[in-house]
Amino acid sequence: DTGVSQDPRHKITKRGQNVTFRCDPISEHNRLYWYRQTLGQGPEFLTYFQNEAQLEKSRLLSDRFSAERPKGSFSTLEIQRTEQGDSAMYLCASSLRGQINTEAFFGQGTRLTVV
Amino acid sequence: QQQVKQSPQSLIVQKGGISIINCAYENTAFDYFPWYQQFPGKGPALLIAIRPDVSEKKEGRFTISFNKSAKQFSLHIMDSQPGDSATYFCAASPSYNFNKFYFGSGTKLNVKP
Repeated sequence: DTGVSQDPRHKITKRGQNVTFRCDPISEHNRLYWYRQTLGQGPEFLTYFQNEAQLEKSRLLSDRFSAERPKGSFSTLEIQRTEQGDSAMYLCASSLRGQINTEAFFGQGTRLTVV
Repeated sequence: QQQVKQSPQSLIVQKGGISIINCAYENTAFDYFPWYQQFPGKGPALLIAIRPDVSEKKEGRFTISFNKSAKQFSLHIMDSQPGDSATYFCAASPSYNFNKFYFGSGTKLNVKP
């Protein structure tokens, strides 16, 4: 499968615990995006990377959230001291930006439930 | 404040009918307007997209109509099929980062056989 891969697909955690999600983009894609989708809503932009550089962060991304993309390949999104309000689907998308610009391809998401 | 407003929230259409979903935006910096289709448990998948230099784009049974002066755009699904039953999101993005989307709240489409 050469699409965007996210792991895990589901995560249940207790309030106050830390969680980390992983996204593997399409291999040649240099841009990687994180979105959050709550039930019945459209996805909301969180942050994006061009290669390994994190270029923009939404105000939705509180200090408890951190994202990395070491070496411009896979990315991780960590949430520290989880709260019930963090329960959502976390979506990753990747695209190619350069001489050829592609659409964004989304992964299947990681569904986080904080209990 | 939601930058892209979408209606209706849900839609029931008979097989073979036309499904119409509408979206409106305010930010004139938006330069790219895609529609995404999402099935339960899956990520959104691009259906069709338009830029503001054209007023209509058609791909198969799917058509986007775009009204730049009214800042509105809509998705028409002709000959709707039960397999089209999904949630549809309109989105908009600025020219400087055309994959940084502002999504509408979604329309759940149910096509009855």
